[in-house]
Amino acid sequence: ILNVEQSPQSLHVQEGDSTNFTCSFPSSNFYALHWYRWETAKSPEALFVMTLNGDEKKKGRISATLNTKEGYSYLYIKGSQPEDSATYLCAFKRGTSYGKLTFGQGTILTVHP
Amino acid sequence: SQTIHQWPATLVQPVGSPLSLECTVEGTSNPNLYWYRQAAGRGLQLLFYSVGIGQISSEVPQNLSASRPQDRQFILSSKKLLLSDSGFYLCAWSDGGNTEAFFGQGTRLTVV
Repeated sequence: ILNVEQSPQSLHVQEGDSTNFTCSFPSSNFYALHWYRWETAKSPEALFVMTLNGDEKKKGRISATLNTKEGYSYLYIKGSQPEDSATYLCAFKRGTSYGKLTFGQGTILTVHP
Repeated sequence: SQTIHQWPATLVQPVGSPLSLECTVEGTSNPNLYWYRQAAGRGLQLLFYSVGIGQISSEVPQNLSASRPQDRQFILSSKKLLLSDSGFYLCAWSDGGNTEAFFGQGTRLTVV
């Protein structure tokens, strides 16, 4: 069983706060780590695809880091806005299971005005 | 450009009835295809994935099956639905490798 764990399960912050979530995954046979944002009544959309240890990706106020040796990734949101409210999902792809993309349970972020 | 179609958007079915959800992808060839389910209050559970026609990998023992009769068509089926099959089903595709997955609009299935 491939365990992809995300924490916290949910998070409430005030507008303007910075926040971060954690995704942990098996460190062996790493291939790729994805982050997605899933807004209510929409489909999940990719934020980042990360493949290299030490990778750092940024899109506007959102950034992510990757540590494949210890099996974790962090997603950071700087200066949270109400429109950032969504479920943030990470997904793991292993090199020995070609094609298989396994998601974590997600972190539900609510940003209060 | 590539698009993914998933239907129906909502479905209410009685216990014991059959199920067929369809997903098609346009604008690409030999995609990886996925069926996920979100049960209430949980993330995305991988049900099936396929890396080619006729190649189906099942992730959890369950009352469902999947088929890929054509390169860009992925079907989720059941012969007899259970109450526990209720949930939100998402189809997705990717080019494989390091590319992201693209999701359909989802099907809300309620088994009554």
